[in-house]
Amino acid sequence: AQSVTQLGSHVSVSEGALVLLRCNYSSSVPPYLFWYVQYPNQGLQLLLKYTSAATLVKGINGFEAEFKKSETSFHLTKPSAHMSDAAEYFCAAAVSGGYQKVTFGIGTKLQVIP
Amino acid sequence: DGGITQSPKYLFRKEGQNVTLSCEQNLNHDAMYWYRQDPGQGLRLIYYSQIVNDFQKGDIAEGYSVSREKKESFPLTVTSAQKNPTAFYLCAGRANNQPQHFGDGTRLSIL
Repeated sequence: AQSVTQLGSHVSVSEGALVLLRCNYSSSVPPYLFWYVQYPNQGLQLLLKYTSAATLVKGINGFEAEFKKSETSFHLTKPSAHMSDAAEYFCAAAVSGGYQKVTFGIGTKLQVIP
Repeated sequence: DGGITQSPKYLFRKEGQNVTLSCEQNLNHDAMYWYRQDPGQGLRLIYYSQIVNDFQKGDIAEGYSVSREKKESFPLTVTSAQKNPTAFYLCAGRANNQPQHFGDGTRLSIL
């Protein structure tokens, strides 16, 4: 069984500072990995996905994530936080070869301080 | 506009009452999913369907039921057997070899 662990349920950064949201996965096979963003009372929007091509994945809104197999990690970063980045972020994993069932982390709420 | 449409946005249920949450899609997705979201618990899978007239239980199916009579529609019924139904419910669809695409959710509360 696979699991997804997001370290830090709440993260605060100053506007203009680096954003780093941590995600580790456990899987017996290399998974497909995703980051989603959720604004209040809305659904989840896909930020980026890793599907065993390039290990550094660029997504929307200036976010990127790096797949590190040795660390079983897929951390999300953005060089400079904007106020509009304040939201909840979910890391998710699907077993390689299929998107049928996805396991989600518990989410990390990002607060951006002016 | 193409997308996943959930209705209503807010729903209130009386004790002992069944309620049905609507999920409609015009993206021609074969697979559809229902998740429950509670604060601090992420998303938990209730039911999913990969083709019309077929669906499987997810991790927390007790107290819920679904149907998939049409490709476009995947309604979720929260039955009176679900003792703690207050939550945010998310529907998603998926095309082949693509990540899941989500609707905007329905917030269910108990009166």
